[in-house]
Amino acid sequence: NAGVTQTPKFRILKIGQSMTLQCTQDMNHNYMYWYRQDPGMGLKLIYYSVGAGITDKGEVPNGYNVSRSTTEDFPLRLELAAPSQTSVYFCASSSLRSGTVEQYFGPGTRLTVT
Amino acid sequence: DQQVKQNSPSLSVQEGRISILNCDYTNSMFDYFLWYKKYPAEGPTFLISISSIKDKNEDGRFTVFLNKSAKHLSLHIVPSQPGDSAVYFCAASAGLRAGNKLTFGGGTRVLVKP
Repeated sequence: NAGVTQTPKFRILKIGQSMTLQCTQDMNHNYMYWYRQDPGMGLKLIYYSVGAGITDKGEVPNGYNVSRSTTEDFPLRLELAAPSQTSVYFCASSSLRSGTVEQYFGPGTRLTVT
Repeated sequence: DQQVKQNSPSLSVQEGRISILNCDYTNSMFDYFLWYKKYPAEGPTFLISISSIKDKNEDGRFTVFLNKSAKHLSLHIVPSQPGDSAVYFCAASAGLRAGNKLTFGGGTRVLVKP
C-alpha cells in the first residue's frame, strides 16, 4: 500500500494563476480531507468528503474548490492564486469504521504564491 | 476561537527523561482525542488516541491521559529518545457524526538532547 500520495511536492505560482493539487489514497477509505498548515501553526481544514460525490466546507474554504468523483481521488483546485494561499497542503483519509477516527496523511505539497 | 490549544510552543528534555505535552480543549462535543507527530517536510503521523469514555491509554513509551472535567489531555513519553525530536500536535474529533473531522492545536516542538 502506498497510503496517501500527493503531487506535486513543491510548486511556485504567480498571483492569479490556477492549479490543482492531486491526492490519491489506496486504502479504500471513504473519508478524505484537505488541510493547510501555515508556518508555526496547526493544521486547518479546508474541505472534506465523506464519499464519492459528497463534499463539504471546512474551516477555511475560501479560494478553493474540490471534487470527489472516485473513492481514491480528491483533488484540490486553486482558481486565482493569492499570496495568502502560500502554505503547506496536506491531504488525509480515514476509514468509516465506528470508533476509528485517526486520519492518515500524505507527505504534503509546499506551495508558494508570489 | 481556538477550540484546541497547546500552550507550550516548545519543550526541551534530556534523553531518558519524561516528556509531558499538554493540550486543552473547549468544545464539549469532542469524543476522541489524538496525538500526531510531525517531522520536517513530512506529513503528520498518528501516534495514539483516546476516546472520551477512558481516562488513560498506553502504547509502549506513549501514554495519553484525559481529564474530561478539566477539558485537558496530556501525552507522556517515557523514556524520551533523540528520535522523538519532532513537532507534536494534539487533535480532537466529534467522530463520525461530524465527518471524522479533526481540529488541531498549534503544536509543541520537542527537542530531546542526547
